[in-house]
Amino acid sequence: GAGVSQSPRYKVAKRGQDVALRCDPISGHVSLFWYQQALGQGPEFLTYFQNEAQLDKSGLPSDRFFAERPEGSVSTLKIQRTQQEDSAVYLCASSLLGGNSYEQYFGPGTRLTVT
Amino acid sequence: DQQVKQNSPSLSVQEGRISILNCDYTNSMFDYFLWYKKYPAEGPTFLISISSIKDKNEDGRFTVFLNKSAKHLSLHIVPSQPGDSAVYFCAASAGAGGTSYGKLTFGQGTILTVHP
Repeated sequence: GAGVSQSPRYKVAKRGQDVALRCDPISGHVSLFWYQQALGQGPEFLTYFQNEAQLDKSGLPSDRFFAERPEGSVSTLKIQRTQQEDSAVYLCASSLLGGNSYEQYFGPGTRLTVT
Repeated sequence: DQQVKQNSPSLSVQEGRISILNCDYTNSMFDYFLWYKKYPAEGPTFLISISSIKDKNEDGRFTVFLNKSAKHLSLHIVPSQPGDSAVYFCAASAGAGGTSYGKLTFGQGTILTVHP
């Protein structure tokens, strides 16, 4: 497909479970961002990759959150020992250039519900 | 601290009239501003942007105005159409070429409803 895809679209996890969220960016896009969107709020930055390098992880809320992009394309956001406050929509976005393009293309998001 | 604020949670306008969505920011390092539109169960879609060296950018029915001294921007949609009904997010970035890497800081969003 031409756009950013994310899977799963919906995930329900019991508190304490680990989850893995996948992002397929637009082919050839160097930059990849993860955002977290709580209900009724705007997206908030989590982490940034330029190719396979994670250059900024300042937005990750705790050490339970881990992201990787080993081959510079697909990325996975992993949340260990999920808590109720992790319930949110997780958005992935990609952009063409390496830190020189402001316009980001977003995927549909993964809605995570922790029960 | 909320560096980008959209103080109106919702806006309702009649089809054919003008919609004006507002956004305020506090960080003077922001140099690029974007508006995104979001439908339910979809990701945000880029709408229009403006660099801090400009005070206006127009694209069809959409115009963004930037007032740097007031740290305020607005999105004008004219004429408004029912298909414009969505959540609109204002976003700001501080130097994509630097260590901010173009990451976006978003406002809380404004729900726009355009009535036929």
